Amino acid sequence: AQTVTQSQPEMSVQEAETVTLSCTYDTSESDYYLFWYKQPPSRQMILVIRQEAYKQQNATENRFSVNFQKAAKSFSLKISDSQLGDAAMYFCAYWGNTGKLIFGQGTTLQVKP
Amino acid sequence: DTAVSQTPKYLVTQMGNDKSIKCEQNLGHDTMYWYKQDSKKFLKIMFSYNNKELIINETVPNRFSPKSPDKAHLNLHINSLELGDSAVYFCASSRVPRSPLHFGNGTRLTVT
Repeated sequence: AQTVTQSQPEMSVQEAETVTLSCTYDTSESDYYLFWYKQPPSRQMILVIRQEAYKQQNATENRFSVNFQKAAKSFSLKISDSQLGDAAMYFCAYWGNTGKLIFGQGTTLQVKP
Repeated sequence: DTAVSQTPKYLVTQMGNDKSIKCEQNLGHDTMYWYKQDSKKFLKIMFSYNNKELIINETVPNRFSPKSPDKAHLNLHINSLELGDSAVYFCASSRVPRSPLHFGNGTRLTVT
């Protein structure tokens, strides 16, 4: 069964600096998708970024980028120029052939002014 | 305007009661889901429907029964509520499998 692991329960970053959130996953599939979702205190689930496993190029969305290492089964999220509004819980998620999105445990990000 | 809307936003009820949560999406998506987020914030899929047909039932107790009257609606009915059912329940939809999920704002269920 596929699993997703986020080993950092909490992280903090100074405003305007860069932070990287870690995610590893376990799968025997070769074709899958990976996602990062953000959940602010409002509890809304917001898609941050998506990566297709067959693409070697790392996805980027404005200040958010990923480091996708397929062989290592690693999918980290880098947030550049952190802003106060980035404070939230971040979930890494995996979607393979089972028809369901599997989430990691989440990482709470604190942004310090 | 809201893409995926679920009601109510908060639900407080006593053990043993029966309650329903409604979900509607106006995105034209074929697939809808129910996820449960527990007190530790862990998100886990409960059910998935594709065009009104149940495709995933993730070993959820029989007290939970999803109903999809049409592909834009997926409701969740819970019988004989227990303390352990207290959680946030999210409805979501996707255009096709493995496309991004669009989530509703969640329903916080508190069973006393």
